[in-house]
This record gives sequence, structure tokens and C-alpha cells, in this order.
Amino acid sequence: GEDVEQSLFLSVREGDSSVINCTYTDSSSTYLYWYKQEPGAGLQLLTYIFSNMDMKQDQRLTVLLNKKDKHLSLRIADTQTGDSAIYFCVRGAPGGGADGLTFGKGTHLIIQP
Amino acid sequence: DAGVIQSPRHEVTEMGQEVTLRCKPISGHDYLFWYRQTMMRGLELLIYFNNNVPIDDSGMPEDRFSAKMPNASFSTLKIQPSEPRDSAVYFCASSPRQGRLYEQYFGPGTRLTVT
Repeated sequence: GEDVEQSLFLSVREGDSSVINCTYTDSSSTYLYWYKQEPGAGLQLLTYIFSNMDMKQDQRLTVLLNKKDKHLSLRIADTQTGDSAIYFCVRGAPGGGADGLTFGKGTHLIIQP
Repeated sequence: DAGVIQSPRHEVTEMGQEVTLRCKPISGHDYLFWYRQTMMRGLELLIYFNNNVPIDDSGMPEDRFSAKMPNASFSTLKIQPSEPRDSAVYFCASSPRQGRLYEQYFGPGTRLTVT
């Protein structure tokens, strides 16, 4: 199977919470990242979590990491139309570094009015 | 800083023609990456450079693809001859040197259509 797996699509209503899930196979990662790609643009780092953390919160974003199950999730509270984008789960290399990222295929977040 | 700059933003060409995509990384970044994105295959790493030297080109689809980085501020990805299956969005990204919290900075991409 794929090294980093995530669902291709997620549809939520405006104002609801969105939860984007990801599983990975390599447990030796140092960092795990979420990148966001807005329509017609390149990817941008949205948030990250270090592998010795369980949770990280940043305003409307909550990242949860379950190392035992190799499961990462991104929760977006009060989802807004501007959150419509593709969200990539990204695994970092064990030693960190710029050349060790593995990208999932991305989850298209669709916002319903 | 202007960020990663790519040109052209859109390219339409006929099968068999040579295509050259260009990238200017963020000044001071030591790593440069070329990716290809399609609906079917998602984001694929084609090649990356460290200090202008190609490190891993295992993602380059075939010999029709070549990439160069003649200096720290410029890289090209060339496809010769192009084929319809090369149609995709090609991204260039750059990153500071290893050892820091890792982030790649992506350009806006070049949308290539081969007819």
C-alpha cells in the first residue's frame, strides 16, 4: 500500500467541523505535516506536529497524532468557504531535513453552503 | 521576498515539441525540488537538487525528461519530445538547508497541456 494514505474527498457544511484523516506506515518520522493547496496555487505549510507530541492546537486547527496506530488527523473548527482546498498529509524523514518528505495524495475539502 | 517564481504559468504545446519549464528558488535556499501533479497520480517528486547538484532523479519518468540547475538561482525542467500524457501541473519548490524544521516553499506551478 501507499506510504501515506488519506481519503480523496471530504464534504462538510459551512460552520461544521472538518476532520481530515491520514495513516502512514513509517513510524520513524520526526515531523508530520499538513500542507494546504488552494485552487490554482502551490502548496503551503499549514501546520506540523513533532512525533513526541499527541496534540497541537493553533486557532481553528487541531492536529492529533496517534503514534501507536500511525494515524494523524487535522480538525478544522467552524469550517468556512475559504477552507476549501486540498489538504496533504506529509511524513517527514527520521532525521528531519528538506529531502525526506513523503506526500499523501491529498484530500479535497468541499464546503457546502 | 517574492517567493518561488515559475514560468510560464501556462503552456500549451503539440505532441513532439520541446517544452522548457523554469524556476527561480527563494534566495538562500539550498534545496530545489521539481514535482508533477495530476488527478490520477497526485503529487509526484521528479527530482531534487542540493546546492545545485542533482541528488535523486529516481522520480523522473523517462529519458525524455531532464533537469538542470546551472546556478543557485535558476533551474529548468525540459521535456523532449513532449507527449499528451505529460499534461499536468509542474511545481518547483525550494527549502533551506537540512537540520531545521522542515518546510518546502512551492511556486504557483506551470500548467502544461500537450495536445
